[in-house]
Amino acid sequence: GQNIDQPTEMTATEGAIVQINCTYQTSGFNGLFWYQQHAGEAPTFLSYNVLDGLEEKGRFSSFLSRSKGYSYLLLKELQMKDSASYLCAVNDYKLSFGAGTTVTVRA
Amino acid sequence: DTEVTQTPKHLVMGMTNKKSLKCEQHMGHRAMYWYKQKAKKPPELMFVYSYEKLSINESVPSRFSPECPNSSLLNLHLHALQPEDSALYLCASSPTDSYGYTFGSGTRLTVV
Repeated sequence: GQNIDQPTEMTATEGAIVQINCTYQTSGFNGLFWYQQHAGEAPTFLSYNVLDGLEEKGRFSSFLSRSKGYSYLLLKELQMKDSASYLCAVNDYKLSFGAGTTVTVRA
Repeated sequence: DTEVTQTPKHLVMGMTNKKSLKCEQHMGHRAMYWYKQKAKKPPELMFVYSYEKLSINESVPSRFSPECPNSSLLNLHLHALQPEDSALYLCASSPTDSYGYTFGSGTRLTVV
């Protein structure tokens, strides 16, 4: 089976940094994705990690440690538009999602 | 074209109706997926098509019937749905079974 855990909610101030952790236990592993989803909209791709280490993409970075079954998404210089749900998803033979972390950015 | 297009965007149907959801991509992706998402829950996989053949059915009730007429199109036929089937239905595609998922904007389905 698959078990993907991430915090339910996080709140941060505009301009700050937030780190969303994701731990996983899956029967197989073929990469980890992070998606952003605004309410009522489809998920949009943020990042993909298949090897250990840090992937940086503008204000967003994602880290993976396969031996620890651990990833995080780092959001820097938070903006109000970053208020959304962030989904960690692990790919083995299918893409399985964590429950999502709702990030609220306050002015 | 780097999009997955889903139609309709919204659908209201009665429990005795038959309707279909459509999904189209022209990125040459050979894997296509249907996901169901309830409010404040993550997407849940329903079906996977790989090279136009059904490869995964996640024990979905038979009132949902997928169809892949060709490599660019994916349909989901709906019949005798229940109110609890109301959800956002997402289509996705990827170039292989492993990487580069692109999601459509979804069809918000309401069963009355």
